[in-house]
Amino acid sequence: SQKIEQNSEALNIQEGKTATLTCNYTNYSPAYLQWYRQDPGRGPVFLLLIRENEKEKRKERLKVTFDTTLKQSLFHITASQPADSATYLCAHLIYNQGGKLIFGQGTELSVKP
Amino acid sequence: NAGVMQNPRHLVRRRGQEARLRCSPMKGHSHVYWYRQLPEEGLKFMVYLQKENIIDESGMPKERFSAEFPKEGPSILRIQQVVRGDSAAYFCASALGADEKLFFGSGTQLSVL
Repeated sequence: SQKIEQNSEALNIQEGKTATLTCNYTNYSPAYLQWYRQDPGRGPVFLLLIRENEKEKRKERLKVTFDTTLKQSLFHITASQPADSATYLCAHLIYNQGGKLIFGQGTELSVKP
Repeated sequence: NAGVMQNPRHLVRRRGQEARLRCSPMKGHSHVYWYRQLPEEGLKFMVYLQKENIIDESGMPKERFSAEFPKEGPSILRIQQVVRGDSAAYFCASALGADEKLFFGSGTQLSVL
């Protein structure tokens, strides 16, 4: 069955550096991938969507890439700030009985001042 | 435009009781999803509903769990005869369409004593 895997180890970086998070998927390439941010005790918040025919997508300090050969998406936060500390989730749609979004387990990012 | 509203925020039940979790989607959204999250784990898909229809319930246990999204009123996730293993955060999300980004509520934390 289709799976999404994210690095379960927390990522600790220094303020101002670029954070890079990885999302790998198995089997077939999804039509698109979505990235969400989740803060403790809150629901996830949508950040970016990248389609399979898009190599890269940007939004302010965020950048997402999608490599269908490697079956991987990378999520970058440039000039990171302590306020970027959160868990980041990637997700994709399973087209089965109308579609459902499945999520990776998330990667916790901690940005130290 | 209010976001996705979930209530209650916290729900405490004793083993064997029933739990009812409510979700009001964003205005205009007819697609509702329920997810379950355990500490240190990702979001696990439970069920996907459109108005009055269950589209995909492949993630929901066959027994004790049910979900509905009536023509009028909120979506309800119902857990009968709760057990300690049902303790988790339950998130509801809504979307405009089947392949649109999801808007999440703040979740209901269910604790079973």
